[in-house]
Amino acid sequence: QQQVKQSPQSLIVQKGGISIINCAYENTAFDYFPWYQQFPGKGPALLIAIRPDVSEKKEGRFTISFNKSAKQFSLHIMDSQPGDSATYFCAASRAYSGGGADGLTFGKGTHLIIQP
Amino acid sequence: DTGVSQDPRHKITKRGQNVTFRCDPISEHNRLYWYRQTLGQGPEFLTYFQNEAQLEKSRLLSDRFSAERPKGSFSTLEIQRTEQGDSAMYLCASRLSGQKETQYFGPGTRLLVL
Repeated sequence: QQQVKQSPQSLIVQKGGISIINCAYENTAFDYFPWYQQFPGKGPALLIAIRPDVSEKKEGRFTISFNKSAKQFSLHIMDSQPGDSATYFCAASRAYSGGGADGLTFGKGTHLIIQP
Repeated sequence: DTGVSQDPRHKITKRGQNVTFRCDPISEHNRLYWYRQTLGQGPEFLTYFQNEAQLEKSRLLSDRFSAERPKGSFSTLEIQRTEQGDSAMYLCASRLSGQKETQYFGPGTRLLVL
C-alpha cells in the first residue's frame, strides 16, 4: 500500500518557469509534510515543510500548498533555475502525534529538469 | 562538518556474506533513523532509535537485518547472508526530538551484492 502518491514522475520546465509537483496521502494521522531535494549520489536534504494547520507556506522561491480535506499537498518552485534540477520527494510522518510512528513515508520522487 | 556521516560510502559484497554499516548522527540528536533507497524510488523507512532504544521497526526489516545503537550515539546496521535484492542505498538520518522535527540525512552507503 503506497501511502503517499507523487506526480509527475518527471518534469521538464524552462528556466524562469514554475515547477509544480503534487502529492496525495492516505493516512489522516500524518501531521508533518516535508519536501526533500536530492542530487545524484547525495542524501536527501530538507527543502521546506508544513503542518496541516496551515494551508500555505512560502520560503523564498519555494511554496507548499496544503489541502487537508482533499489530503493533497504540492510544491511550487517559482522562477525555476538550472540549479534546481534534481529529484524531489514529498514525505509524511506522525512527527507530533507520538506513538512511536516517527518514520517518514516518502513518495516515489519527481525528476525535475530545468532547461536553460 | 557536523552533519550526519556514514561509513563506508560504497560496499561491494558477494551474495551470502555479512555486511555492517555505521552511522554517526549529529552530536546532540537523540533520534536516529535508517532508510533504504532503491534506484528510482523514494527512501523506505526501516527502523529508528531514541537514544539506545529501538522504538519502531518496519516490516521491511527482515530477520537478516539488525540495527543497534549501544550507547545512544553511533548506530550500526548489519545485513546477514546478503541477497542480490539487498542492493540499495542505505541512508541514515537524525533529529532532536521535542524540538525541530527535521530529519537530517547522511550521504548514504551504496551496497552492491553480486
